[in-house]
Amino acid sequence: ETGVTQTPRHLVMGMTNKKSLKCEQHLGHNAMYWYKQSAKKPLELMFVYSLEERVENNSVPSRFSPECPNSSHLFLHLHTLQPEDSALYLCASSAGTVTAEAFFGQGTRLTVV
Amino acid sequence: QKEVEQDPGPLSVPEGAIVSLNCTYSNSAFQYFMWYRQYSRKGPELLMYTYSSGNKEDGRFTAQVDKSSKYISLFIRDSQPSDSATYLCAPTGGSYIPTFGRGTSLIVHP
Repeated sequence: ETGVTQTPRHLVMGMTNKKSLKCEQHLGHNAMYWYKQSAKKPLELMFVYSLEERVENNSVPSRFSPECPNSSHLFLHLHTLQPEDSALYLCASSAGTVTAEAFFGQGTRLTVV
Repeated sequence: QKEVEQDPGPLSVPEGAIVSLNCTYSNSAFQYFMWYRQYSRKGPELLMYTYSSGNKEDGRFTAQVDKSSKYISLFIRDSQPSDSATYLCAPTGGSYIPTFGRGTSLIVHP
């Protein structure tokens, strides 16, 4: 295990549903990230939280809404998604300004139908 | 121009071969140069990283950075079937947020 746990591992949702992805890290890190990984594309950074404050939002549609209630937990709330949002959503954490090493969870495979 | 360019492959080699994986990047501010390995249906895991230009060796793996040409390489000696995975380069600047390439799919066949 990597110390970063994501749930659920797989999710199928309709376009009108609301669901949430959860990420938890046990590494004592102070920065957490959401990435989207689609086939044949680079990992796309979606959101960055440092010390529980959002420091980056890469023009992500408002149908994706992050939440970071504390330094160990990160959520991604999903509503009215589109089929093109189907992808692997990866959570990562790092020690932030101390080191560049990011540790990833296993990902949530999301399918929007 | 994309920030990080990486040939997606797949690169298929026989067991025991020396593998060379490469990336180019455009941002001169990148200081850390990381390589991640991603097995199928798993999240990426950090393989190794270097700071600034130069070489770094770790077992069968050698990472090489040439900042003057903005070129990053990862060499794998005596490649094994267990090395079959996607390799992602991820240079990083002062923000410490990795910027990823597309990844190169490597297949090592027995």
